[in-house]
Amino acid sequence: DQQVKQNSPSLSVQEGRISILNCDYTNSMFDYFLWYKKYPAEGPTFLISISSIKDKNEDGRFTVFLNKSAKHLSLHIVPSQPGDSAVYFCAASAVMSSNYKLTFGKGTLLTVNP
Amino acid sequence: NAGVTQTPKFQVLKTGQSMTLQCAQDMNHNSMYWYRQDPGMGLRLIYYSASEGTTDKGEVPNGYNVSRLNKREFSLRLESAAPSQTSVYFCASSPLGLAGVVGFAKNIQYFGAGTRLSVL
Repeated sequence: DQQVKQNSPSLSVQEGRISILNCDYTNSMFDYFLWYKKYPAEGPTFLISISSIKDKNEDGRFTVFLNKSAKHLSLHIVPSQPGDSAVYFCAASAVMSSNYKLTFGKGTLLTVNP
Repeated sequence: NAGVTQTPKFQVLKTGQSMTLQCAQDMNHNSMYWYRQDPGMGLRLIYYSASEGTTDKGEVPNGYNVSRLNKREFSLRLESAAPSQTSVYFCASSPLGLAGVVGFAKNIQYFGAGTRLSVL
């Protein structure tokens, strides 16, 4: 049973446009969500996170939106740059339940074309 | 600052051979984790260690053992490698449980560069 789902295996956008990566979750106990970026032959690197007490968190070109009622979050990258081309993983945990393990989605490959 | 260091980067084994994947972190983190990444499967937790001296099973522990040697080091051992264990293995650490680290940020995990393992 997949508790964190990234239904789009890949996404292609033009440089300068907006990239929107989506993530859905089923476990209502999840209260902390993270996005990781992964380049080939490297480990995942933390990008941005959001807790369930917020509905938006912004860091430079990256914004994460959380819709708790829909159990959905999205990562917006504006403007997209070729260096953003990578696999993006969504992850979730239930911190307030003392379950700190991260559950990952399968990832979305983002390609930003010059 | 090296962060999380994994050795080796690449390894080829024959079925039945054993090996140990090494992981060390220099961030004074309490918690450490081992994941495997397979095509189309995302990252799956094998074992984790919430603190020195403790280890617990994750989602896919069968065929693996771990040792939390000290606060810095967390190793993953394959006693009798099987082709199904061909994967990329990642070690991670987090400040969870560390004094002075509060809030949700304590749950951010920091990853090593990975070990690519092939079992023939």
